[in-house]
Amino acid sequence: KNEVEQSPQNLTAQEGEFITINCSYSVGISALHWLQQHPGGGIVSLFMLSSGKKKHGRLIATINIQEKHSSLHITASHPRDSAVYICAVRPADRGSTLGRLYFGRGTQLTVWP
Amino acid sequence: DGGITQSPKYLFRKEGQNVTLSCEQNLNHDAMYWYRQDPGQGLRLIYYSQIVNDFQKGDIAEGYSVSREKKESFPLTVTSAQKNPTAFYLCASSSIPGQGYNQPQHFGDGTRLSIL
Repeated sequence: KNEVEQSPQNLTAQEGEFITINCSYSVGISALHWLQQHPGGGIVSLFMLSSGKKKHGRLIATINIQEKHSSLHITASHPRDSAVYICAVRPADRGSTLGRLYFGRGTQLTVWP
Repeated sequence: DGGITQSPKYLFRKEGQNVTLSCEQNLNHDAMYWYRQDPGQGLRLIYYSQIVNDFQKGDIAEGYSVSREKKESFPLTVTSAQKNPTAFYLCASSSIPGQGYNQPQHFGDGTRLSIL
């Protein structure tokens, strides 16, 4: 059983569309990360959040701790947003390895011009 | 600029060979991690280290070995005991989270390992 579930697995959009990627998790967490993986494989961290909402440019990340759910939104999507978006959580359990993350399987986003 | 350097980008291994993947960071991070990524699966933790000369097994450590002789370096050896080594390998690092304070992980660009 995967502690982190993402949906959808694949997402295709037209340029300019509003995008939402969802992440649900089953454990208590101290932080949730949204990551972006480029076609070459490199990963960059987009957001780290433990409550509320964060915004960076056209990207918005929200989290509802009670519902164990987070969403990543992309406004006015662009072909350069095409990538795999990965949700990862850091468990709050004190027995867990400091800093270790559990990862979702990723959402492949393709934005067409 | 600070970051994580993984080398090589592509690596080919013959059956029965050990190969070592390099990971170097100049971020002054204490913690380093090795992950394996397979198609359609999330990243899985192989090994991690929180301090020099100390490391722990992750979820899928069988067939792998690591060392942490320097803070900046955390090489991963894929041994011949790893029966299905073809995968994408990612190295990451972070500061040690303090009480109630989280730190983001920084990732390298990965090494793609294939069996000849």
